[in-house]
Amino acid sequence: NAGVTQTPKFQVLKTGQSMTLQCAQDMNHEYMSWYRQDPGMGLRLIHYSVGAGITDQGEVPNGYNVSRSTTEDFPLRLLSAAPSQTSVYFCASSYSTSGTGNEQFFGPGTRLTVL
Amino acid sequence: AQTVTQSQPEMSVQEAETVTLSCTYDTSESNYYLFWYKQPPSRQMILVIRQEAYKQQNATENRFSVNFQKAAKSFSLKISDSQLGDTAMYFCAFMKWGPGNQFYFGTGTSLTVIP
Repeated sequence: NAGVTQTPKFQVLKTGQSMTLQCAQDMNHEYMSWYRQDPGMGLRLIHYSVGAGITDQGEVPNGYNVSRSTTEDFPLRLLSAAPSQTSVYFCASSYSTSGTGNEQFFGPGTRLTVL
Repeated sequence: AQTVTQSQPEMSVQEAETVTLSCTYDTSESNYYLFWYKQPPSRQMILVIRQEAYKQQNATENRFSVNFQKAAKSFSLKISDSQLGDTAMYFCAFMKWGPGNQFYFGTGTSLTVIP
């Protein structure tokens, strides 16, 4: 298994540009989520999905969109990039969110810089 | 919302010694899960240990063990026989029991193992 994969690893955008961060998992996990990691603030949840066709907002959803058309993929879209979105982005997945199998597996992260 | 507090931004320990990282959390839930994740310089998030709140026995994984005090809402991580490879950022995380629930992360503790 490749686990959780993210592309790209690094990205530089100009203010106002849009882009999509890709996330895929091959473990047949139902639960997928996106976090951003900023210095001194830990990981904060942006959006999450409990299955194909179902998404919901996390703690910091503004400026981001998600969709979940398949179990495997969970892309994160930045609609109009702002310097405040400069961060490291992590995608994660888990088999479930209750009971056995609720530990999250993380992708390698995407470092995004918005100029 | 739940909160997770890690009050030690940085710690260091001599190789082969023991170190304890602190974590407290705030919740009104009775059923939940607690986790410690490690993030080495490679940036990859790695699960270290997991504890179910309904279990009184403290979880252990090789050199890693926790001291879970439910009444005090405390969840510390003890690393025994510290190794250079333990140098990393350590994050404490909380998740309510049940489907579709979110992870809440602390701000992390940067641990350096000194040769």
